[in-house]
Amino acid sequence: DQQVKQNSPSLSVQEGRISILNCDYTNSMFDYFLWYKKYPAEGPTFLISISSIKDKNEDGRFTVFLNKSAKHLSLHIVPSQPGDSAVYFCAASFMNRDDKIIFGKGTRLHILP
Amino acid sequence: GAGVSQTPSNKVTEKGKYVELRCDPISGHTALYWYRQSLGQGPEFLIYFQGTGAADDSGLPNDRFFAVRPEGSVSTLKIQRTERGDSAVYLCASSPSGTSSYEQYFGPGTRLTVT
Repeated sequence: DQQVKQNSPSLSVQEGRISILNCDYTNSMFDYFLWYKKYPAEGPTFLISISSIKDKNEDGRFTVFLNKSAKHLSLHIVPSQPGDSAVYFCAASFMNRDDKIIFGKGTRLHILP
Repeated sequence: GAGVSQTPSNKVTEKGKYVELRCDPISGHTALYWYRQSLGQGPEFLIYFQGTGAADDSGLPNDRFFAVRPEGSVSTLKIQRTERGDSAVYLCASSPSGTSSYEQYFGPGTRLTVT
C-alpha cells in the first residue's frame, strides 16, 4: 500500500518554463514532507522540505506547496534549467523524531532545450 | 566535508551466497538508515540505528537480512543465502540526530546483483 504516490512517471518541460511535479499522500499523520533529487549512479540529494504547519516554502527557483485538506503537495521549479533533468522523489516523515522517510516512486523530469 | 560513503559500489554474487555491504556515515551523525531501491521504485526503508542500537528494524524483509553498527559509526548490512529478488541498489543515509533538521543525507549506494 503506497502511502506516498507520484502518479506521473515522467515529465518533459521546455527550458525556461515552469516544471510542476505532483505528489499525493494517504497518511494524515505525516507532518513533514521532503523532495529529493536523484541523478544516475548517485544517491538522492535533499532539495527542499515543508512542515505541515505551512502551506508554502520557497528556496530560490524551487517552491513546495502543501494542501493538507487534499493530502497533496507539489514542487514548482521556475525557470527550469538543463541541470534540473533528474528523478524527483516526493517523501514524507514525522517531525520531532528521527524516523524513516517514506518515498514515492519518483518522477523523471526531462528539460528540453 | 566528506559525505556518506558506501562500499563496494557494485557487487555481483551467486544465488545462495553471503554478502556484506558497508556504510560510512557523515562524521558526527548519530542516526543511520538503510534503504533498498528496486528498479522503478523509490527507496524503501529497511532499518534505522540511533547510535549503536537498531531503533527500528521493521523494514527488514526477512531473517536473512541483518545489520550492525557496533561502534556507532560504520554500519554493515549483511544478507545471507542471497536470492535473485535481493537484487537492488542498497542506500545508506545519515542524519544529525537531535537537531531541527530532519533531512537524511544519502550515499551513492551499492548495486547488488544476484545471479
